[in-house]
Amino acid sequence: GQQVMQIPQYQHVQEGEDFTTYCNSSTTLSNIQWYKQRPGGHPVFLIQLVKSGEVKKQKRLTFQFGEAKKNSSLHITATQTTDVGTYFCAGRRTGTASKLTFGTGTRLQVTL
Amino acid sequence: KAGVTQTPRYLIKTRGQQVTLSCSPISGHRSVSWYQQTPGQGLQFLFEYFSETQRNKGNFPGRFSGRQFSNSRSEMNVSTLELGDSALYLCASSLEWGSNTGELFFGEGSRLTVL
Repeated sequence: GQQVMQIPQYQHVQEGEDFTTYCNSSTTLSNIQWYKQRPGGHPVFLIQLVKSGEVKKQKRLTFQFGEAKKNSSLHITATQTTDVGTYFCAGRRTGTASKLTFGTGTRLQVTL
Repeated sequence: KAGVTQTPRYLIKTRGQQVTLSCSPISGHRSVSWYQQTPGQGLQFLFEYFSETQRNKGNFPGRFSGRQFSNSRSEMNVSTLELGDSALYLCASSLEWGSNTGELFFGEGSRLTVL
């Protein structure tokens, strides 16, 4: 079955440092979504990427979809304590009405 | 617009019992999916419903079942509870299903503890 892995599992940074999480799928994806889950909260949608090689920015967050549509990344510039949480990617396999498979998640901790 | 509502928020059951969880999607959303979240396993897909039909099913035993009603509300049931079923059960709604699915809107979840 489809597997979506994320690395790293956990990262601890000091406020102001950059952070990147990588998402890799075992199959080609029709699109990829990113979600953020704050501690004790529920996942909240951040963005969807559809096109091969697509790059989108949201303030300090930069999202990228790989050329082969099998990987993606989320980069946060100059982290803040409000960035704390777990970041999940989620994708659907190309060509079928398949389920949305979530990645394993990357937990980000930011300290002053 | 009200968000996704899940009930109950918290519940405690004992092994062997059964439980029913409810999810009311955002008004106008026709697709509902369910996920199990545990610290070690992340978000595991349970089922996906659209127009009262199960469209996809995850790799869970037959003790886990669900349904969707004509008003798009959904329920999931777990029978013969096991200790390992303790988890946060998240429901998410979206306007459509399949490749046209946009963002998922999650509820706060139902936290199940099995003793």
